Amino acid sequence: EDQVTQSPEALRLQEGESSSLNCSYTVSGLRGLFWYRQDPGKGPEFLFTLYSAGEEKEKERLKATLTKKESFLHITAPKPEDSATYLCAVQAVSETGNQFYFGTGTSLTVIP
Amino acid sequence: GAGVSQSPRYKVAKRGQDVALRCDPISGHVSLFWYQQALGQGPEFLTYFQNEAQLDKSGLPSDRFFAERPEGSVSTLKIQRTQQEDSAVYLCASTLTVGAGTQYFGPGTRLLVL
Repeated sequence: EDQVTQSPEALRLQEGESSSLNCSYTVSGLRGLFWYRQDPGKGPEFLFTLYSAGEEKEKERLKATLTKKESFLHITAPKPEDSATYLCAVQAVSETGNQFYFGTGTSLTVIP
Repeated sequence: GAGVSQSPRYKVAKRGQDVALRCDPISGHVSLFWYQQALGQGPEFLTYFQNEAQLDKSGLPSDRFFAERPEGSVSTLKIQRTQQEDSAVYLCASTLTVGAGTQYFGPGTRLLVL
């Protein structure tokens, strides 16, 4: 069964304290792995797409990496404005070519 | 438009009422998705359109849920005879091309069924 698991469920960091969020997946045919940020009361906002093992993407304090079984979102020297829920999603091979599975997210709180 | 818009943003319905939720995708986007997001959970897939064709409705939880996109742009998700378990945020997303993975989400419609 295709599924996506994120850990930890919640993470509290001091400002400047770097850490990593994990997304492990089991899908029959990965087309892409996506990271989104979701603020309270808003829709998810696209951050990164990763397509193959070994790929890395960076944006400001965030860096996403991908292996054959999991992805990490590394947050370097986080700031309070990085507080949000981070969602991982995978796009799997399907008859329609567009089957997406989301994890339950990691709620990040960065304390000043 | 500049982004995906959804209306209404909030909807309170009495159990048994019918509701209609609207999604305006980014202009020119071919694919449109509907998701249901319960509190503290990730979005769960409901249905997918490619232009006006509904190619996948495997995530619709019951036959009370119906979605359409008659002209390949605006989409409506209709829920008949609402139940309390239908309370959730309903998210709409669009992608530029078929098979494109980057989805652009609207702000969602928060539905509360009393």
